[in-house]
Amino acid sequence: SQELEQSPQSLIVQEGKNLTINCTSSKTLYGLYWYKQKYGEGLIFLMMLQKGGEEKSHEKITAKLDEKKQQSSLHITASQPSHAGIYLCGADIGAGNMLTFGGGTRLMVKP
Amino acid sequence: DTAVSQTPKYLVTQMGNDKSIKCEQNLGHDTMYWYKQDSKKFLKIMFSYNNKELIINETVPNRFSPKSPDKAHLNLHINSLELGDSAVYFCASSRKCNTEAFFGQGTRLTVV
Repeated sequence: SQELEQSPQSLIVQEGKNLTINCTSSKTLYGLYWYKQKYGEGLIFLMMLQKGGEEKSHEKITAKLDEKKQQSSLHITASQPSHAGIYLCGADIGAGNMLTFGGGTRLMVKP
Repeated sequence: DTAVSQTPKYLVTQMGNDKSIKCEQNLGHDTMYWYKQDSKKFLKIMFSYNNKELIINETVPNRFSPKSPDKAHLNLHINSLELGDSAVYFCASSRKCNTEAFFGQGTRLTVV
């Protein structure tokens, strides 16, 4: 099993709907990063969370870190087709100077 | 200006060939990485360099050899390419170890 599990693996929503993607670690989190990969393009950094309870927002995307549960959630409000892509969480789980990544969540937004 | 740039973006080559993927970052970062994204979209670290020194070398075949001529460059050379090497390879850099990493656009390698 992966050290970082993302759920769901794929998601199809109607435009305008809200959605949540979760990222759960089997190890202590020292930092949690959310990235978005547009189809056929590279990774775009979205947010970094380092403290338990921390919450950050960027436009209509909000991410929270629950340190105790070793979990982070990414919430998109009023989704748009431009939100479509693969969302990846990456975490520092104390494995040296590298991030461990989850399997990604493929999001499609229907107009 | 592109912060982390990889070339080429696409690479199609035959089995047995030797190829290189170049990576350059203009962010002044100390640490650079190579990741491999497999068919299931999992990103796995291959190598990590800090100030031109190899820090991490995960279980990667010896056919893969990173080269860091200076802090701003980390190139990936692959000898005797195999079908299983087909994947998207991402280069990344970060200011220090364990700070946010910025990724290149990826290189899609197809071995035929």
